[in-house]
Amino acid sequence: QQQVKQSPQSLIVQKGGISIINCAYENTAFDYFPWYQQFPGKGPALLIAIRPDVSEKKEGRFTISFNKSAKQFSLHIMDSQPGDSATYFCAASLHGGTSYGKLTFGQGTILTVHP
Amino acid sequence: DTGVSQDPRHKITKRGQNVTFRCDPISEHNRLYWYRQTLGQGPEFLTYFQNEAQLEKSRLLSDRFSAERPKGSFSTLEIQRTEQGDSAMYLCASSQLAGGGPQYFGPGTRLLVL
Repeated sequence: QQQVKQSPQSLIVQKGGISIINCAYENTAFDYFPWYQQFPGKGPALLIAIRPDVSEKKEGRFTISFNKSAKQFSLHIMDSQPGDSATYFCAASLHGGTSYGKLTFGQGTILTVHP
Repeated sequence: DTGVSQDPRHKITKRGQNVTFRCDPISEHNRLYWYRQTLGQGPEFLTYFQNEAQLEKSRLLSDRFSAERPKGSFSTLEIQRTEQGDSAMYLCASSQLAGGGPQYFGPGTRLLVL
């Protein structure tokens, strides 16, 4: 059972444009939602994360928008740069119980930013 | 201490052989996680430790897999009698328990079973 669904599978954006990646989750007990960036041959690197008590969080060019009622959250990359070209993963985890901290990942989005 | 380290970075083995991977977490982190990532997919949870205690194992972790974290420091993941389906990137992550700290991943160990 896929608990976190991510779209699109791939995304092509021009330099300076806005990249938007969406995720939807099923388990309403999830209460921590990070985004990771992964380059080929490397481990995932934490970009930004949000908890459901806020609807938006911004760090530099990266913004997470969170819609608790729709069980959806998205990553916006403003002024996209060729160096942003990577695979992006959304994830979710529980806060409490024995599964506390265990991340469930989306399928990933391959972002290509053309110069 | 600059981050999570994993060794080896790459491992090629023949089917049926045993392999062992090591993970050194960020020093003050008491939670350590193992994930497996196949090509084109997101990481999948395998198991995690809080200090030296292994608290949860995924059903993905068959009897051929075993993980340890002696003394709550580094961890090892052993795969016995490897199969071609075990070929994947094995990722380790660590976090602080207090406050639900974020997980930081290591560079991974890429396993290829021939």
